[in-house]
Amino acid sequence: QVLLVQSGAEVKKPGASVKIFCKASGYSFTNFAMHWLRQAPGQRLEWMGWINTGRGDTKYSQNFQGRVTLTRDTSATTAYMDLSSLNFEDTAVYYCAKAIGMGGLDYWGQGTLVTVSS
Amino acid sequence: QSALTQPASVSGSPGQSIAISCTGTSSDVGAYNYVSWYQLHPGKAPKLIISDVSNRPSGVSDRFSGSKSGSTASLTISGLQAEDEADYYCSSYTTSHTLVFGTGTEVTVL
Repeated sequence: QVLLVQSGAEVKKPGASVKIFCKASGYSFTNFAMHWLRQAPGQRLEWMGWINTGRGDTKYSQNFQGRVTLTRDTSATTAYMDLSSLNFEDTAVYYCAKAIGMGGLDYWGQGTLVTVSS
Repeated sequence: QSALTQPASVSGSPGQSIAISCTGTSSDVGAYNYVSWYQLHPGKAPKLIISDVSNRPSGVSDRFSGSKSGSTASLTISGLQAEDEADYYCSSYTTSHTLVFGTGTEVTVL
């Protein structure tokens, strides 16, 4: 079965960076794009970007342009999300999600809580 | 890219039908038939319930249905049940090859 397993919770200081991984299994990794999203406490779901897992090209939300980097390791069937220059407002649960076609996200990781605290 | 507009809350009694709107622009909802809907229960990962405006993934109850007219999409929940109490988000593919999500709707079963 399809599984997306994300790395564990992180606590970071303001200004630091965080890198989260998303290990995929149960399907052909390079045939489906991977998206990253987040939900801050009490806030709406927010889309961050996506990576074409086959070619490696990416597209980012303007809200995160310059701060987020998406990469993947096809041999490890793992996608990565790197977010830099963290501030308190980046405290959120971060999700990876597998795409079906143009935007439907059919499988999601369990979420990774990132807490930014001084 | 601004968020798609959804009502903050919708409520209904068990057995009733409710509809949640999702209003975008000609650059997203109005541009393609790539609108999806997600159900979020607290502490759980989002669940895809509708893709491509009206397609229901396998295993999703047929009480959920989707439609679109112009730049507004809608999710209808028929035969409302207690388990439907959750937050719902729409999303759309955009002409910039990004995704945009809605503001979210809290559904309450009275």
